[in-house]
Amino acid sequence: NAGVTQTPKFQVLKTGQSMTLQCAQDMNHEYMSWYRQDPGMGLRLIHYSVGAGITDQGEVPNGYNVSRSTTEDFPLRLLSAAPSQTSVYFCATSKGGTGNYEQYFGPGTRLTVT
Amino acid sequence: GDSVTQMEGPVTLSEEAFLTINCTYTATGYPSLFWYVQYPGEGLQLLLKATKADDKGSNKGFEATYRKETTSFHLEKGSVQVSDSAVYFCALSDGMTTDSWGKLQFGAGTQVVVTP
Repeated sequence: NAGVTQTPKFQVLKTGQSMTLQCAQDMNHEYMSWYRQDPGMGLRLIHYSVGAGITDQGEVPNGYNVSRSTTEDFPLRLLSAAPSQTSVYFCATSKGGTGNYEQYFGPGTRLTVT
Repeated sequence: GDSVTQMEGPVTLSEEAFLTINCTYTATGYPSLFWYVQYPGEGLQLLLKATKADDKGSNKGFEATYRKETTSFHLEKGSVQVSDSAVYFCALSDGMTTDSWGKLQFGAGTQVVVTP
């Protein structure tokens, strides 16, 4: 099993460009999340999904869009990239259910916006 | 809201030294607590977890005990190796609603550097 995969691994964008970060999982987990990691700030939740067709905002949703049409995929869209969105982005999944709160992470996408 | 505070790094140690990374939390109810490890250029891996008070999580020589009275979950290892050099994150899930099952609250991370 591949677990959680993310593409691309690295990306450079110019301010104002748009792009989609891909996330796919073969763990059959209902819950999927996107985080960004910035130095000294840990991981902050951008958006999350509790199942196909259901998404909600996290702590830092502005400038990002998500949709979840299948259990396996959870793409993150940057609508108009800004330098403040330079970060490392992680997708994560969790099984859900009482006691199953741990999340499993992809390898990350390192994004630079110039 | 929920929050996690962990000691700032970097923590620099010699091989075979004792490692402690402090983590305290603020949460309503009875959260589950986690330690994740991130090696350079990689994603986060679950290191250990504890789901109720006085539980001890352990893995790869690392241990942490869920202390509700002090709202703490300190990570310890008795004898570190160079391969333990990484960033360590403390995290919690309050688990109070089905909505919360898709989210973790993280501390800022502590970088650990082990020298030969």
